[in-house]
Amino acid sequence: DAGVTQSPTHLIKTRGQQVTLRCSPKSGHDTVSWYQQALGQGPQFIFQYYEEEERQRGNFPDRFSGHQFPNYSSELNVNALLLGDSALYLCASSLRGGPDSGNTIYFGEGSWLTVV
Amino acid sequence: DQQVKQNSPSLSVQEGRISILNCDYTNSMFDYFLWYKKYPAEGPTFLISISSIKDKNEDGRFTVFLNKSAKHLSLHIVPSQPGDSAVYFCAASETNTGNQFYFGTGTSLTVIP
Repeated sequence: DAGVTQSPTHLIKTRGQQVTLRCSPKSGHDTVSWYQQALGQGPQFIFQYYEEEERQRGNFPDRFSGHQFPNYSSELNVNALLLGDSALYLCASSLRGGPDSGNTIYFGEGSWLTVV
Repeated sequence: DQQVKQNSPSLSVQEGRISILNCDYTNSMFDYFLWYKKYPAEGPTFLISISSIKDKNEDGRFTVFLNKSAKHLSLHIVPSQPGDSAVYFCAASETNTGNQFYFGTGTSLTVIP
């Protein structure tokens, strides 16, 4: 049973560029959330996708956008990169209205983004 | 505004002893809580959860306690093992608004052999 997979694992971009990160959810999951984790901090919620629509959004600017595909996979796009966007970007999947296990989210290994 | 706080950045425990990691939250609407363990260069791994309808949940060596009146939860690891050395995050959500989770800043646990 494949877990959450993310790509790429590491990438370096220049300030002002755009980046796309990809995520495939855990098998059987239909909801994808994206989190940003800066050094020394806990993950911060960016947004969540369900049924190919953005359902919830955290306190992130419009430079952060996303997409969910019919197969539940998702992309995170960040435009006009800033040095402060350097972080670990985590994808988490879950099953909306899941069983008694509740709304537990399962994380991928993350994509390390460095903006120079 | 940090709605979930882990006030101890680090904790050291002898192998075989109990590790107690603490977490406080400010939003009384939070009703579902998770603990994750994170090794360097890896994503967080789910450990254990607890719903607000319970005050305790056990899974093997891991037990989570929830004190709703104090808005406090704790993770107990007994007995602690060197492989438990990692950063531990607690997370909270209000399930009626979806499952957006708020995370603490983590506690780095070192289990000394």
